[in-house]
Parts: sequence; C-alpha cells; structure tokens
Amino acid sequence: DVKVTQSSRYLVKRTGEKVFLECVQDMDHENMFWYRQDPGLGLRLIYFSYDVKMKEKGDIPEGYSVSREKKERFSLILESASTNQTSMYLCASSGTDRVKETQYFGPGTRLLVL
Amino acid sequence: DQQVKQNSPSLSVQEGRISILNCDYTNSMFDYFLWYKKYPAEGPTFLISISSIKDKNEDGRFTVFLNKSAKHLSLHIVPSQPGDSAVYFCAASGDFGNEKLTFGTGTRLTIIP
Repeated sequence: DVKVTQSSRYLVKRTGEKVFLECVQDMDHENMFWYRQDPGLGLRLIYFSYDVKMKEKGDIPEGYSVSREKKERFSLILESASTNQTSMYLCASSGTDRVKETQYFGPGTRLLVL
Repeated sequence: DQQVKQNSPSLSVQEGRISILNCDYTNSMFDYFLWYKKYPAEGPTFLISISSIKDKNEDGRFTVFLNKSAKHLSLHIVPSQPGDSAVYFCAASGDFGNEKLTFGTGTRLTIIP
C-alpha cells in the first residue's frame, strides 16, 4: 500500500518566517511533486523532482524552493513566508511509467501565514 | 493559461441518479487523462484514467468518456451514492518527457439523499 506522509497537517506561521514542509514516500518512486490547492484554482504545481538532487520548476515556483537529498524525501521551503502563501500544500509521488503509475498524494498540510 | 478546464464549480445530484462531470482541454499534445477524487482534509485519490487511443473506460459505477475531436472528457457516476460527495479533479499529461500532470480547477459534487 503506497504511503505518502507529510510532516504536519496544520501549520501557523508569521510573515517573514522560514517554513519547511516535509514529504516522505515509501514506494521507492523516482518522481515527487509539490502542489498548492486554492479555491477556484485547483491544484497548481510548484516544483517537481525526477531524482535525488534534481528539481524542476512547476507553474508557480516564485517564493518557494525545494530540496531532495534522499530519494524518499522531498522538502518544500518558503524562504520568507507571506500571507498569499496561505494555502493547502499537497505532496505527491509517482513511478516512471506515466500511463501505468498514477500520482499518489499525501494528506496535505494546511498552512496559515499571519 | 488554463490548459485543463472544469467549467462547473459545483454540481448537485439526487442519490441514485447519474452524475456527469465535464472537463475540457486545449493542448492537443495531451494523450492521457485521469480523474481524481478529493475529500476535505485528505489528499486526492486516483479514480479512473483513459488513454487517447480509447474513447471509453469503465470501472464499476465510474465511466470516463473521451472525445478527442472536441477535446472533451466526462466522468459518469451511476448510480450516485452519498459517499460520492467530494471534489473531483480531471488531469492530463502528454509525452513531453516528464510525468507532470496538469489539473483542472475541480468540481464539487454533492449527492442529495
């Protein structure tokens, strides 16, 4: 059974703080993704990674960075949190066959930036 | 530019009737389409998919139809059950050399008992 876990379900941070969101998957998947979900905007891709130490910008990378030091772990970093980064953050992982393997999502982290 | 669109933000259907959720896309290079279901405070879960070589895929109560010429896909749920109340996202991918999915904005389905 695929398991994608995220370090926190809820976070409250202040404007300007550095925020780390951690994601771990146990399926030995090569690909990992970070999305944010906002009402009326659906899921928007922030960053993704194909392999350890590799990263690619998604559709909305501004204000975010990522780190993938180990295959199972993908971190999203908000260098200086702002109120417009208040959102639901979702991590996902997938294997290399895009037809046979879907993306598996974690439960999400709801971040509130005050 | 929204390449995958779900024009109905919400839909209410009587229990036992058919639910039809629609999705349109603009990129003709998309060749694989998926539907995900999301409950509040949970991550999306995969529901059903379809490759562009097919025009229909069925799995139990769920059927996805693809009309490539119209760049349109739909998800049919029959009969609808209260547990189907959730937000549904369609997603698309293409043979771009990556496994990136492009998601629609979602449709909130409410099944009325």
